[in-house]
Amino acid sequence: GAVVSQHPSWVICKSGTSVKIECRSLDFQATTMFWYRQFPKQSLMLMATSNEGSKATYEQGVEKDKFLINHASLTLSTLTVTSAHPEDSSFYICSARESYEQYFGPGTRLTVT
Amino acid sequence: AQSVTQPDIHITVSEGASLELRCNYSYGATPYLFWYVQSPGQGLQLLLKYFSGDTLVQGIKGFEAEFKRSQSSFNLRKPSVHWSDAAEYFCAYDSWGKLQFGAGTQVVVTP
Repeated sequence: GAVVSQHPSWVICKSGTSVKIECRSLDFQATTMFWYRQFPKQSLMLMATSNEGSKATYEQGVEKDKFLINHASLTLSTLTVTSAHPEDSSFYICSARESYEQYFGPGTRLTVT
Repeated sequence: AQSVTQPDIHITVSEGASLELRCNYSYGATPYLFWYVQSPGQGLQLLLKYFSGDTLVQGIKGFEAEFKRSQSSFNLRKPSVHWSDAAEYFCAYDSWGKLQFGAGTQVVVTP
């Protein structure tokens, strides 16, 4: 149980375009999901907290207009990177919260050319 | 400020040898503590967690961790390492529903 999926697992896009990443909790309902960013050989950095039916809460320094988060249902949260630039290239990981635990997706590798 | 520290960036261990990964936290109350493992290019898998009660926690894959309040530590141990244990290990604590991660420890397993 407690499986979280992400789609796509990797994506390459051109600079200036937008890309959407999906995060799904497959066997449980998650009122809260989280989005993280991880640079090579570094730890996870929390970007935002996604709450079903309400606006996401962004961490300090994260541009909310660039990283659009939508949590339209109890099993799906999406992260859209708008007007992507090469510096947005990174590994994006989502997690879904159940009780006091977070279950992580496999991550999405974004490369912006 | 609340934080979690993993003093060792990189550890090399021989297969079959014991492993101990250090984690220290700075937190006023008793924290909810976690250890996660990440294989290259993958998400995180929960190894074990501590909320309260018995300070020696058993996890998956033969790992255990001991919560020591007096030392503000939550070190992860495994008696005999397998080559498949080579990965990145993260200690984390729950801060008002958000996870705060340590910098991680890279474990390399040699034959």
